[in-house]
Amino acid sequence: ETGVTQTPRHLVMGMTNKKSLKCEQHLGHNAMYWYKQSAKKPLELMFVYNFKEQTENNSVPSRFSPECPNSSHLFLHLHTLQPEDSALYLCASSQVPGQGNSPLHFGNGTRLTVT
Amino acid sequence: AQKVTQAQTEISVVEKEDVTLDCVYETRDTTYYLFWYKQPPSGELVFLIRRNSFDEQNEISGRYSWNFQKSTSSFNFTITASQVVDSAVYFCALSEALRGNEKLTFGTGTRLTIIP
Repeated sequence: ETGVTQTPRHLVMGMTNKKSLKCEQHLGHNAMYWYKQSAKKPLELMFVYNFKEQTENNSVPSRFSPECPNSSHLFLHLHTLQPEDSALYLCASSQVPGQGNSPLHFGNGTRLTVT
Repeated sequence: AQKVTQAQTEISVVEKEDVTLDCVYETRDTTYYLFWYKQPPSGELVFLIRRNSFDEQNEISGRYSWNFQKSTSSFNFTITASQVVDSAVYFCALSEALRGNEKLTFGTGTRLTIIP
């Protein structure tokens, strides 16, 4: 079982659809993250959860809605997306931020295409 | 504000050659951490190294080595005797010690291609 698992690997959706991305970590970490990776741009941090509590929302549009039911699971609910939201969405986990700046462990990502 | 610059967008070298990936950073913090991550074609970023701002010792791990120079704000990564499996996108990143990963700033990455 890989440390951080993301499903689905690929997703194509229309602008009026509603879909969800799922992330699960098996590393015993307490912090989980969503990142967006677009071509030729640095990774953009979207959301951070520490112990299931959201601690960071990096000015992300409301059409992206995160959910963290427990320390092992993280969702990203999508609705009314725009074509420019097409990107690779990466989930990551770590020990609680600030404790030695522990490294992030990433999943394989979900390649999202909005048509 | 923090900033990480990886000026080399793409590099191609022939297998067994040595290659150095550059990383230059900007921060006002006196305490910070620097990272390198590797992103193979499968997509996930793989952690390679973490270095704190008080430790300027160079590090070697097998064919990988890192050169941290505070005087030039650089944290360069060298692969010796490159192999095809080293082909990937490599990211340098910087975080503030207090805010940790909540303020992790990535560079735009360097795509490394090793030619057999």
